[in-house]
Formats: sequence, C-alpha cells, structure tokens
Amino acid sequence: GQNIDQPTEMTATEGAIVQINCTYQTSGFNGLFWYQQHAGEAPTFLSYNVLDGLEEKGRFSSFLSRSKGYSYLLLKELQMKDSASYLCAVKGGSYIPTFGRGTSLIVHP
Amino acid sequence: DVKVTQSSRYLVKRTGEKVFLECVQDMDHENMFWYRQDPGLGLRLIYFSYDVKMKEKGDIPEGYSVSREKKERFSLILESASTNQTSMYLCATLTSGNTIYFGEGSWLTVV
Repeated sequence: GQNIDQPTEMTATEGAIVQINCTYQTSGFNGLFWYQQHAGEAPTFLSYNVLDGLEEKGRFSSFLSRSKGYSYLLLKELQMKDSASYLCAVKGGSYIPTFGRGTSLIVHP
Repeated sequence: DVKVTQSSRYLVKRTGEKVFLECVQDMDHENMFWYRQDPGLGLRLIYFSYDVKMKEKGDIPEGYSVSREKKERFSLILESASTNQTSMYLCATLTSGNTIYFGEGSWLTVV
C-alpha cells in the first residue's frame, strides 16, 4: 500500500520562508509531485522530483531524499496569494499518482 | 498547453439518478484518471485508464463505473447516485513528461 503524510495546516507571515514536509511509504518509487490548489480551483503543477536533491524554480524549491522517503516544498518571500493547499503526490511502483491529504497554508500580513 | 475539459462544472442530482461526468483531453495522452476530493480526505483515486477500452479500479471504485471508447474521452458514471457521492470530481491526465494535468473539476450535489 501507499502512505503519504503531510501536515494538515501551517501559518506563516508575508515575506517569510515556509517549509512544507511530506513523508511517504510506497511500494516502489517513480517520482514525487507538488501541486498548489486554491480554494474552488483545480490543482496546478509546481514540481516533479525523481532524483535526490534540491530543485529550484523561482520562489519555490522542492527537495527529495529517496532513502528517507522524504520531500519538502520550500516557499520563499511569501505573498498573500500563496495562501492555498499544497498537495504532495507520489508515483509508486504502479506509476499511478497517489496524493496526500494536502497542507493548507495560511499567509497573514 | 494541455487542456483537460470537464463539461459539467456544477450539477445537482436526485438520489437514484444516473449521472455522467465527461472529461476530454486534447493531447493524445494514454493515461487518464478520475479522483474525488473531499475536505480532510484529499484526492482519492476512483478509476484510471491507460488506453482505449482499458480501465482499472482505483482505491474507491464502489458505486462508480467508467467508459473510455475514444482516447481523448474518459467518462465517469454513477449508476444510481447517492448522497455520499456528493463531492468534487477531478479528471486528470499524465503526460510522458511526468506532469499531471487536471480539469477544472465537477461539483456534484446529490439530494
């Protein structure tokens, strides 16, 4: 089976840095996704990691450690519009993406 | 840009009605998925398809069926809608470049 854990909710201040963690236990591993979802909208793609290490894309970075079954999404210079849910998803041995329950991030002034 | 279109955005149906949710993609992707999303439960996989006429059950297939007669179209069917199927339904495709594209979502209320 697949198990993906991420915190339910986080709060942070505008301009700050926040790290959203995701741990997973899956049968096989073929990549990890991060998605952003604003209320009432569909998820939008942020990143895909299949090899260990940090991938940076503007204000957002994603890190993967396959040996630890661990990833994090790092958001820098937080803006109010970053308030959203952040979804971690893993492609296991079946290549089917399984999603965690999502982390609701609240950015306040 | 990949486009995944869910034609019905908001539906209200009565208990026992048959419901069709349609999803169309324009990029010839083999893999298509139907998820439902509920507060506190995240996205849960209902069914997926990796080719025309091929379908596989996901984690919560009970009460649902699917149809994939053409590569671009993947339909989710509720044979007899029940109130516990009130949810937001998301269709998605997975590209060979490892990106999941979602449709806009279909909000279904069963009364």
